[in-house]
Amino acid sequence: DVKVTQSSRYLVKRTGEKVFLECVQDMDHENMFWYRQDPGLGLRLIYFSYDVKMKEKGDIPEGYSVSREKKERFSLILESASTNQTSMYLCASRRQGDSGNTIYFGEGSWLTVV
Amino acid sequence: AQSVTQPDIHITVSEGASLELRCNYSYGATPYLFWYVQSPGQGLQLLLKYFSGDTLVQGIKGFEAEFKRSQSSFNLRKPSVHWSDAAEYFCAANQAGTALIFGKGTTLSVSS
Repeated sequence: DVKVTQSSRYLVKRTGEKVFLECVQDMDHENMFWYRQDPGLGLRLIYFSYDVKMKEKGDIPEGYSVSREKKERFSLILESASTNQTSMYLCASRRQGDSGNTIYFGEGSWLTVV
Repeated sequence: AQSVTQPDIHITVSEGASLELRCNYSYGATPYLFWYVQSPGQGLQLLLKYFSGDTLVQGIKGFEAEFKRSQSSFNLRKPSVHWSDAAEYFCAANQAGTALIFGKGTTLSVSS
């Protein structure tokens, strides 16, 4: 069974803290994604990684960075957390090639910044 | 700019009634199209997807969607809704080499 695992399901962080959200997939997928989901706004793409050490900004990259040192792991970093980054964060992965390939999502990480 | 629009924020349907959720896309060429469902507190589940060919696509849980190029639409339908279908539904699209773009979602409530 395919698996995208987000290690932290619920986090509470303070304003100004550096936050790491980790995502691991076990399907040897080349593409990985980070989205944030907010009520009424749907899912918005933060960053997209085509392959190891390759990344592309999505629609809302400000305040975020990413790291992809190994194929299976894609980390989202909030350099200095702010209250407007309180949200649900979803990681996803997809096999390279035909972009109609199914994208698989993790269960999500609920981040609250206080 | 590429976009996906779900015109209805919230829909309420009686149990046993039919359902249609609307989705429109704006792309230069026909994208790949998807419908996802998210139950409260759960992750996203793929209902169905369209790549090419037959414009009527069958999915899981009794859902189907029809692609209409002339209307740039990909509407989701179900003939008879069950209470367990209450959830949030997302339409999404992408083209080769790009990430999925999502609509803002439609929340479905089912009344008894």
